[in-house]
Amino acid sequence: NAGVTQTPKFQVLKTGQSMTLQCAQDMNHEYMSWYRQDPGMGLRLIHYSVGAGITDQGEVPNGYNVSRSTTEDFPLRLLSAAPSQTSVYFCACGSDRFNQPQHFGDGTRLSIL
Amino acid sequence: DAKTTQPPSMDCAEGRAANLPCNHSTISGNEYVYWYRQIHSQGPQYIIHGLKNNETNEMASLIITEDRKSSTLILPHATLRDTAVYYCIVRGGTSGTYKYIFGTGTRLKVLA
Repeated sequence: NAGVTQTPKFQVLKTGQSMTLQCAQDMNHEYMSWYRQDPGMGLRLIHYSVGAGITDQGEVPNGYNVSRSTTEDFPLRLLSAAPSQTSVYFCACGSDRFNQPQHFGDGTRLSIL
Repeated sequence: DAKTTQPPSMDCAEGRAANLPCNHSTISGNEYVYWYRQIHSQGPQYIIHGLKNNETNEMASLIITEDRKSSTLILPHATLRDTAVYYCIVRGGTSGTYKYIFGTGTRLKVLA
């Protein structure tokens, strides 16, 4: 049981490039979300989804797109990478029972030059 | 969602209990308190959560005050591996929101 799997673990991009960060969960949880963490700061919510076909914006959605076609997968797309998007990105999933804890992946470390 | 306030850092001697406080004075009646920790830059690790009763599991104990405006996470016998940033989060409510609002947490350093 892998839980939440994020790929790649590390990535370096040039400004203006696009890429997709992958997140997959095998816990059959309805809720999934993406966070970014800048140095010395807590996690900030980018986008989240409460089920397949449903997504919504978090605190810092600009520059990112998401879609949720299956329960298992929730990819995060950077349309045109900017240096300000250099960060560590975490994906999480949770049960549709709202008081249950969320589970986080190990993160993707993204550097944009 | 209620906001939380935590001290930025704490030290604890190895083998002693680590008591990490959290203030959540604006918590509403149906919001839960969650504790996570982050070791180095790994993904946050769930520790424990509760509504109003004290909770205990294999990792820690959670003490919530009667008015629910604050809580304390207790690591009963801290080890060097407990050195991490600890986050207190309040979530829930009638909207059914799943969103976690992270603060900057408490950086716990366990000293040998």
